[in-house]
Amino acid sequence: GAVVSQHPSWVICKSGTSVKIECRSLDFQATTMFWYRQFPKQSLMLMATSNEGSKATYEQGVEKDKFLINHASLTLSTLTVTSAHPEDSSFYICSAILRGLIANTEAFFGQGTRLTVV
Amino acid sequence: SQKIEQNSEALNIQEGKTATLTCNYTNYSPAYLQWYRQDPGRGPVFLLLIRENEKEKRKERLKVTFDTTLKQSLFHITASQPADSATYLCALFSGYALNFGKGTSLLVTP
Repeated sequence: GAVVSQHPSWVICKSGTSVKIECRSLDFQATTMFWYRQFPKQSLMLMATSNEGSKATYEQGVEKDKFLINHASLTLSTLTVTSAHPEDSSFYICSAILRGLIANTEAFFGQGTRLTVV
Repeated sequence: SQKIEQNSEALNIQEGKTATLTCNYTNYSPAYLQWYRQDPGRGPVFLLLIRENEKEKRKERLKVTFDTTLKQSLFHITASQPADSATYLCALFSGYALNFGKGTSLLVTP
């Protein structure tokens, strides 16, 4: 199956600093990628939809100036958490689809990034 | 608002038994429903997709049913094994992305 690689798998940063998370589709081109956040024992919450070559679409309540998303190529999307605070500590997961509509096709997920802000 | 509900209680079963997990949804009219497996500290992995006109879908020891009248899907693992222990997520398409339930944690003991 298709492979989505996410890096780093875990990161610890100080409050006020910024952290960049990369999501790569290794063997396919992903015109659309999705970024999720997951708190312990909670469901994956969609943060934003990342479209290659255009601005990301953010979900209601997600601060676009705090969570910067860039999808500069068909194989790479990045999420930058700016001015991180302890409440941003969470598990961040990216996802990509091969083609077409996500409803009738499986989504491929990265390994996730555990962010801890101290 | 749209909701996807899964049993939040963990399901503990003995090896060899059949595990049955439930997914109920409201305010969706899905043509498809998906199930994923998630291990601790990992991203979800796709298991099965079932269409609205399919009553049942099977893949090896997995079976999924989809009842659009009841707005419910059941996920079965037959002859369960300790390696099946994980969290299982139900997912529906919101219009442009997948939305997930909280998942049900399954623990299969030897």
